[in-house]
Amino acid sequence: EVQLVESGGGLVQPGGSLRLSCAASGFTFSSYSMNWVRQAPGKGLEWVSYISSSSSTIYYADSVKGRFTISRDNAKNSLYLQMNSLRAEDTAVYYCARDSSVALGAFDIWGQGTMVTVSS
Amino acid sequence: AIRMTQSPSSLSASTGDRVTITCRASQGISSYLAWYQQKPGKAPKLLIYSASTLQTGVPSRFSGSGSGTDFTLTISCLQSEDFATYYCQQYYSYPPLTFGGGTKVEIK
Repeated sequence: EVQLVESGGGLVQPGGSLRLSCAASGFTFSSYSMNWVRQAPGKGLEWVSYISSSSSTIYYADSVKGRFTISRDNAKNSLYLQMNSLRAEDTAVYYCARDSSVALGAFDIWGQGTMVTVSS
Repeated sequence: AIRMTQSPSSLSASTGDRVTITCRASQGISSYLAWYQQKPGKAPKLLIYSASTLQTGVPSRFSGSGSGTDFTLTISCLQSEDFATYYCQQYYSYPPLTFGGGTKVEIK
């Protein structure tokens, strides 16, 4: 079964750090570009970051640039998001999502999400 | 950044109704548009890509149309399991990838 499973969310104080992980299974992880997408409570979807299959190309939303770092380990079939200098507005469910192979930039597989709460 | 505007933001409908949701891009995006369905507490699910291509396994009552700046998602005969929030997303030009604000389809 094709699956993405996020972990690492939790409660963190403003200014703190957190590292999210996404474990992939059921497909050749190294062949796909990956993304992080977040959703604040009661709000819509916001794309956060993109990484190509070989990690050669990386993009960030302006809202997280300079604070978040996306990375991957193809040997471990894992995607990561290192989040530093966290703010209250970063509170959201964070999803990892796979780029569709037939529609690059559309997301055909999503994880179940992990909740990040930034609060004192 | 390309802005995606969905309308309406919510609608009430009955089982069996035909429902249409619109999405407008702030500039032309050819057919680089996807539609997602999200149910409460769940991850989004890809329904349609390339504006009109149904993702594998998605029921044929869902259809998409449009190109350039104006797009529609149509549910031909609303089923109980279709009550959810729907999002459009452009992937023509990024970063950033951008989503519409969502349309919540509720039971009348």
